[in-house]
Amino acid sequence: IVLTQSPGTLSLSPGESATLSCRASQSVSGRYLAWYQKKPGQAPRLLIYGASSRATGIPDRFSGSGSGTDFTLTISRLEPEDFAVYYCQHYGSSPPTFGQGTKVDIK
Amino acid sequence: QVQLVQSGAEVKKPGASVKVSCKASGYTFTTTTISWVRQAPGRGLEWVGWIITYNGNTNYAQKLQGRVTMTRDTSTSTVYLELRSLTSDDTAVYYCVRRSDFFDHWGQGTLVTVSS
Repeated sequence: IVLTQSPGTLSLSPGESATLSCRASQSVSGRYLAWYQKKPGQAPRLLIYGASSRATGIPDRFSGSGSGTDFTLTISRLEPEDFAVYYCQHYGSSPPTFGQGTKVDIK
Repeated sequence: QVQLVQSGAEVKKPGASVKVSCKASGYTFTTTTISWVRQAPGRGLEWVGWIITYNGNTNYAQKLQGRVTMTRDTSTSTVYLELRSLTSDDTAVYYCVRRSDFFDHWGQGTLVTVSS
């Protein structure tokens, strides 16, 4: 399954909301889709699994939605620490694959 | 708390092999699969494979079949990734991660540089 994320870059100001898209080349079974945050020099951090379940310790300004081939990560009220690259990943079949990433940077 | 601690950075020549370790703590080692994910410079994330820590069964990315081996030592809660016949395309940060579906805990990463 090929995952295509859009946009490639999102330029926003703190306090604004971000909407990130992840489109799959075929239906993702069981809503088996995860989202990760990646900052330079750090390991990725799991944000969302099962398309909409927040991982432990993730603030509720992060939310995931979608099913089938279209998934969305929404970040409401961007905080300074939210500016990073975000990746989606499917795990409904082998091999698991990642999208190419969306960079959220400061406008 | 769950921790995955990896071995240090490696520099290898083309054609050589590298072995990276990942020591797990904070949970029962044999209850959860360990996977490996890599990120080449300026590129995205790529799944390398996984090992079932309970019985040692493995599943590797097709493009790496024949060059990659994952093993585990249950006495030390450590997983190993060995990659052979290295090329410049293998230059990347290698992460060990917990689970084989979504990855809830990540090691700090090990930079493997392949350069002549």
